[in-house]
Order: sequence, then C-alpha cells, then structure tokens
Amino acid sequence: GAVVSQHPSWVICKSGTSVKIECRSLDFQATTMFWYRQFPKQSLMLMATSNEGSKATYEQGVEKDKFLINHASLTLSTLTVTSAHPEDSSFYICSAKRGRDNEQFFGPGTRLTVL
Amino acid sequence: DAKTTQPPSMDCAEGRAANLPCNHSTISGNEYVYWYRQIHSQGPQYIIHGLKNNETNEMASLIITEDRKSSTLILPHATLRDTAVYYCIVSGYSSNTGKLIFGQGTTLQVKP
Repeated sequence: GAVVSQHPSWVICKSGTSVKIECRSLDFQATTMFWYRQFPKQSLMLMATSNEGSKATYEQGVEKDKFLINHASLTLSTLTVTSAHPEDSSFYICSAKRGRDNEQFFGPGTRLTVL
Repeated sequence: DAKTTQPPSMDCAEGRAANLPCNHSTISGNEYVYWYRQIHSQGPQYIIHGLKNNETNEMASLIITEDRKSSTLILPHATLRDTAVYYCIVSGYSSNTGKLIFGQGTTLQVKP
C-alpha cells in the first residue's frame, strides 16, 4: 500500500517560535504533495500545493511567508510555521499524490498547539 | 472544480448497508468523483473513485448516475468502525493540479 508519514504527530511550542513539520511518502515517489489545515469541527482546508523541485503554490488567503514549504525530494516535503501564534494552533495534514494515478494518500496529521 | 452537496449526517444500523448520497450537478466531463473518509483526529482515508462507470473495491461500491450529476457510496455491511465523516469530492485528473477541495461531508454514525 501507499503510506505517508508525518513527524511530529503533535507539538507544543511557545508563541513566536518556528515549527517544522515533515511529510514523507514511505513506499512511493510523490511528484506532488499537498498541505491542509483543519480546525476543530471543521473540514480540511487546502493551504498549498508542493511540487518537487519548484516553489509551492499557495491558496488564496494563505501567507506564504508564514507557512514555508519545501519539497526537496520526491519523498519529503516540509511545512515550517514561522513565528507561530495561538491562532496557528490547528491540525496540519499532508497528502501525497502518486505519479501514476491521481489518488492522494494522506498522512496521519500533526497537531500543533501554540501557547 | 465542481462543488458537491452532501447531507450533514446519517445514521445506519450495524450490519446494514450504508448508502451515502452526493450531488455534483456541475461536474464536467473530465472530472472524477472521489470518496474519502476521516475518522476522528486522523488523516483522511481514500475509499474509491470513478469517472462514469460504477466501481467496486474491497471497501465500498460507487454508483454514478448516467448523467453523472449525482453518486452514491455504498458500504455493504457497515460496522462500528465505519463511523466517520465521509467526503465526496469532484476533481480533475491533472498531473499539474489534482487538488482535492473538501466540503463539509456527511457524518455517518453506525449504531449497534
């Protein structure tokens, strides 16, 4: 099967610090990865599309300087939340698209709490 | 990408079939219908997808109407572990995008 992992699974940080979340496709190469954010009792909101070797494409209203995305290899994308504030506390989920089809496989999510 | 409409919630008795409807009246010819589900505090899980023919896999069946304006996901024998939020998503099959835009989904509660 196609497995996507995320690290860490949860993180608590102080306001003003930066947090990096990793998303890895474990058994396939992902030309495209996506980052989502989900607040309690709400649906997933797409933040950005990440293509290996190129700059990420951000959805409208998502600050690219605050949410830095790097997709340096076909199996790894990272999301860095810079200068995190309490309102950035959320469940961050990544997905990876396998090259040969359009199925997306989701990671287990990372719960970020900013104090 | 076309928008989808789903009922906010449904109940189903354990062991019975769960039929989850989805309307996508503005779907275009090259757009697929995808179904994912999300169990509480986990990442979404892929269930099934289709273009115009009915599809079946080990998890579920997908029935798409002939005009493609609606579809039904069928879980043939629902169990308590099928309690989740089910998302119906319409997306173009493109190597450059393939974005999945999630709506509010249907919360399926399977009851003993």
